[in-house]
Amino acid sequence: DQQVKQNSPSLSVQEGRISILNCDYTNSMFDYFLWYKKYPAEGPTFLISISSIKDKNEDGRFTVFLNKSAKHLSLHIVPSQPGDSAVYFCAASVSQGAQKLVFGQGTRLTINP
Amino acid sequence: EPEVTQTPSHQVTQMGQEVILRCVPISNHLYFYWYRQILGQKVEFLVSFYNNEISEKSEIFDDQFSVERPDGSNFTLKIRSTKLEDSAMYFCASDAASGVLNIQYFGAGTRLSVL
Repeated sequence: DQQVKQNSPSLSVQEGRISILNCDYTNSMFDYFLWYKKYPAEGPTFLISISSIKDKNEDGRFTVFLNKSAKHLSLHIVPSQPGDSAVYFCAASVSQGAQKLVFGQGTRLTINP
Repeated sequence: EPEVTQTPSHQVTQMGQEVILRCVPISNHLYFYWYRQILGQKVEFLVSFYNNEISEKSEIFDDQFSVERPDGSNFTLKIRSTKLEDSAMYFCASDAASGVLNIQYFGAGTRLSVL
């Protein structure tokens, strides 16, 4: 039951360029979406989130776009830096009560100097 | 910056043994969670806990699993009789439950190896 899918297991981007990570979901009940970043031997670290009432949220170099009709969201990182190399997880939840997160498989982003 | 802490970082156990994974959530947080990630697979929800009771649990969270908040700071996950397939990273998370849209903060995880 893959309610949240990240179809690209890996992505390689040149330093200074834009990184675009994509995520699709199938459950129309999801109304809150989060991106987490994970380094080896660490837990997921929150990056940015978006509610379904918005179509864009920006925080510094990170912007998340939500297309509800397509059930698609994307994370843009610009400019990309070597420290951004990590695994990025998309997660979705229903904003009622205890909001369990449903995660995608993750995308390994590598920023090349 | 406040953080979720988990101990131990690595637990090795024999099949059939009981293990307790420990977590100290962020102090003013009210919702607590356990997730697991089997090597090469997704992070999966196990259980959520609020107001001293389970709010929701997944199909994975069967009778072998239990959670407890024994005091004001610790949140534990017990696996009563471990199986080989319980080998995974187990992550604890907490959130402040301060609004409709809450951010879950994760610990560094406990790697459980069942031999």
